[in-house]
Amino acid sequence: GENVGLHLPTLSVQEGDNSIINCAYSNSASDYFIWYKQESGKGPQFIIDIRSNMDKRQGQRVTVLLNKTVKHLSLQIAATQPGDSAVYFCAENFQGAQKLVFGQGTRLTINP
Amino acid sequence: DAGVIQSPRHEVTEMGQEVTLRCKPISGHNSLFWYRQTMMRGLELLIYFNNNVPIDDSGMPEDRFSAKMPNASFSTLKIQPSEPRDSAVYFCAIARLAGTGELFFGEGSRLTVL
Repeated sequence: GENVGLHLPTLSVQEGDNSIINCAYSNSASDYFIWYKQESGKGPQFIIDIRSNMDKRQGQRVTVLLNKTVKHLSLQIAATQPGDSAVYFCAENFQGAQKLVFGQGTRLTINP
Repeated sequence: DAGVIQSPRHEVTEMGQEVTLRCKPISGHNSLFWYRQTMMRGLELLIYFNNNVPIDDSGMPEDRFSAKMPNASFSTLKIQPSEPRDSAVYFCAIARLAGTGELFFGEGSRLTVL
């Protein structure tokens, strides 16, 4: 499950700071969005989702924001910890379809 | 909480050989998905099943790829004959609830075709 991201966008943050990972989605008809986290050597892991009738949703230490006007999605991680180091993917689908379309991913690196 | 067990975790084979990847769901589900991950193309959906029936195989690259799900507890992805461009990590995932994007992925099978 290693995502070798030589060309992945990278975000480096200090431990304890907040992280904001951005995603531009492609399909204006998409109505459901999901964030996944992939640690090295593992499969993607669901973090949080949001439907298009919402613009914000909060979980434990994470918040997802949706701006449908500009087709933009963001994931905010509060008080970033070393265990948050991973590649983060946004995914979209529409009309109840089961085919998730994944973005390219962003690699989050935590500096001690 | 891996929803599936995949095997093998790593496979190295020579071009032209048959490859069979296996997926065993370890919890209840209604859908099963096969994804492929490469550096160049990211995560791509190959095929998915609902209640063991293939629903959409439009992501399967070509006829060399085939997938089966003989029962709710087992699925295979076969490549015959394999080619170097098939080298990738192949993931199996399940959805436990319909209408949700919460998939439970296995740890993947890393395939290298020489």
